[in-house]
Amino acid sequence: YELTQPPSVSVSPGQTARITCSGEKLGDKYISWYQQKAGQSPVVVLYKDTKRPSGVPERFSGSNSETTATLTISGTQALDEADYYCQAWVSSTAVFGGGTKLTVL
Amino acid sequence: QVQLQESGPGLVKPSETLSLTCTVSGGSITSSSYYWGWIRQPPGKGLQYIGSLYYSGNTFNDPSLKDRVTLSVDTSKNQFSLRLTSVTAADTAVYYCARRDYGDQVFDFWGQGSLVTVSS
Repeated sequence: YELTQPPSVSVSPGQTARITCSGEKLGDKYISWYQQKAGQSPVVVLYKDTKRPSGVPERFSGSNSETTATLTISGTQALDEADYYCQAWVSSTAVFGGGTKLTVL
Repeated sequence: QVQLQESGPGLVKPSETLSLTCTVSGGSITSSSYYWGWIRQPPGKGLQYIGSLYYSGNTFNDPSLKDRVTLSVDTSKNQFSLRLTSVTAADTAVYYCARRDYGDQVFDFWGQGSLVTVSS
């Protein structure tokens, strides 16, 4: 099973960034999104498609439908520049997308 | 706040066995809500799932590594461990341990990572 993400997304500060994650029947699964800044461990920013852990800003939101899940960052800030990974569970195995490098220009 | 810390050799020779331990603090490894997992990241690449285990010893490993991976738990030390046999240069990576919230299906706490290099 594969999860496909665009290698890179660029956005201007204050604009909306959208990062997609595609996979077969993805809408039937729960998706988590992880943010990984350079040299750091991943941190979960969304789980169960749309839920934000405590401390994650409201500008992070998510959706999941049919074959595509989307992480949306509204009012993107420079500190949001990072790699983002989607993840799903398939037959008790965690599958990660290849990651998307978000650049805030 | 739960914290996880990986420990183990940073250099392993080809064909030998990689061994890492994750020490959990701020929470019990025997909590019924959580599994404990390993994820790795080769230099410059993405995240790869290795496997998870429950404190009772039930394990779930990625099929691609299944025959080479052994996961174990030591509840008396609040630790869990990874053994990866017959390593090659392709196993060079940062190895992360993480807590898996079973109900929310998410890795909610991660260790800082441990770089393991396979080289003679």
